[in-house]
Amino acid sequence: DTAVSQTPKYLVTQMGNDKSIKCEQNLGHDTMYWYKQDSKKFLKIMFSYNNKELIINETVPNRFSPKSPDKAHLNLHINSLELGDSAVYFCASSQSRSADTQYFGPGTRLTVL
Amino acid sequence: GENVEQHPSTLSVQEGDSAVIKCTYSDSASNYFPWYKQELGKRPQLIIDIRSNVGEKKDQRIAVTLNKTAKHFSLHITETQPEDSAVYFCAAISSNTGKLIFGQGTTLQVKP
Repeated sequence: DTAVSQTPKYLVTQMGNDKSIKCEQNLGHDTMYWYKQDSKKFLKIMFSYNNKELIINETVPNRFSPKSPDKAHLNLHINSLELGDSAVYFCASSQSRSADTQYFGPGTRLTVL
Repeated sequence: GENVEQHPSTLSVQEGDSAVIKCTYSDSASNYFPWYKQELGKRPQLIIDIRSNVGEKKDQRIAVTLNKTAKHFSLHITETQPEDSAVYFCAAISSNTGKLIFGQGTTLQVKP
């Protein structure tokens, strides 16, 4: 009955590889997000989708490509991984794109070697 | 652009004391201010929030105040307990952009 879930929880990979992280929410929310939390714990928005439509796209390298097959799922694909991509990536969801509470997934710790 | 400043970065208190964390925001269109608690290795979890039409909100030992004129908002935790130890984040959402902007976080340590 987990509200926002992510897979995998841990991801260790070599530089240059391509990897994906998946997120699912069963809250019936319309809006989903990807955040990056760096080693200094700073949380920063990367992308947001509302009903499968991209609405927020921060200055993220185009090696990062989000995809929302339906409003309950938001995946993140990363090409040509770099050392600096190592971080914890959190998915979140909210009822709407307005000022609603955002609920976070458990996070995916990505380590690039 | 939007910015949220949070202070202090670390805070150490004795069990039973109060803790106060302060934030300022830059975007005057911000209208929703949540506070999240993040324990080590866990997800950020909402502990309290306040909207721009309210000046103060309280939930048991936790209270939040908002001064829209000064663009300040604060978290107050009374009668702190060791389980309150965590990283606390303030955040603000702009009604213009819909983006949730986080402060830098405050590591709170409550000593038994």
